[in-house]
Amino acid sequence: AQKITQTQPGMFVQEKEAVTLDCTYDTSDPSYGLFWYKQPSSGEMIFLIYQGSYDQQNATEGRYSLNFQKARKSANLVISASQLGDSAMYFCAMRTNTNAGKSTFGDGTTLTVKP
Amino acid sequence: DTAVSQTPKYLVTQMGNDKSIKCEQNLGHDTMYWYKQDSKKFLKIMFSYNNKELIINETVPNRFSPKSPDKAHLNLHINSLELGDSAVYFCASSLRRGHRFYEQYFGPGTRLTVT
Repeated sequence: AQKITQTQPGMFVQEKEAVTLDCTYDTSDPSYGLFWYKQPSSGEMIFLIYQGSYDQQNATEGRYSLNFQKARKSANLVISASQLGDSAMYFCAMRTNTNAGKSTFGDGTTLTVKP
Repeated sequence: DTAVSQTPKYLVTQMGNDKSIKCEQNLGHDTMYWYKQDSKKFLKIMFSYNNKELIINETVPNRFSPKSPDKAHLNLHINSLELGDSAVYFCASSLRRGHRFYEQYFGPGTRLTVT
């Protein structure tokens, strides 16, 4: 069975500082994809970044980077130079080929950026 | 240039009624999904269609019935609505090809309130 664990229900960060949101996963599939999504208070779900299990390098997208540690089964999201607009809920998710590629989501982390 | 659209955005109805939510995507994706997000923000997949074929059918009451008339549309019909059905329902779409895991694009959500 696939499982995603986000252990930080809430996080605070000062504007312009970097923050790391934790995500650990569990799967017996050798091939999988890891995703991070952002959900602002307005409610929409926004895709941020993707990491494949066979990717050699950590994924980066602008201010977002994914710290992928395969042996530890962790896929932490790093946001650099936090902005007020980064305040939102962040979900880590995983997809595997088992169960028709179903996505499993973590419980989310609420990030608040302080001015 | 809306990517994934849902109608209606808000739905308030009484217990026992039947209602439908519609979803359309113009991204050319071949897979569509329904998710339920409860009041604690937990996101859980309900159904998924790939090229009009049902591929994911989670443990969901029979009162929920999805229908995909074509690759670009996925509807959700709910019979005999109950108080516990109150939630935000998200439609999403993605590609499903080869071994690559593609990100999902979400609709704006439909907030269903059952009174």
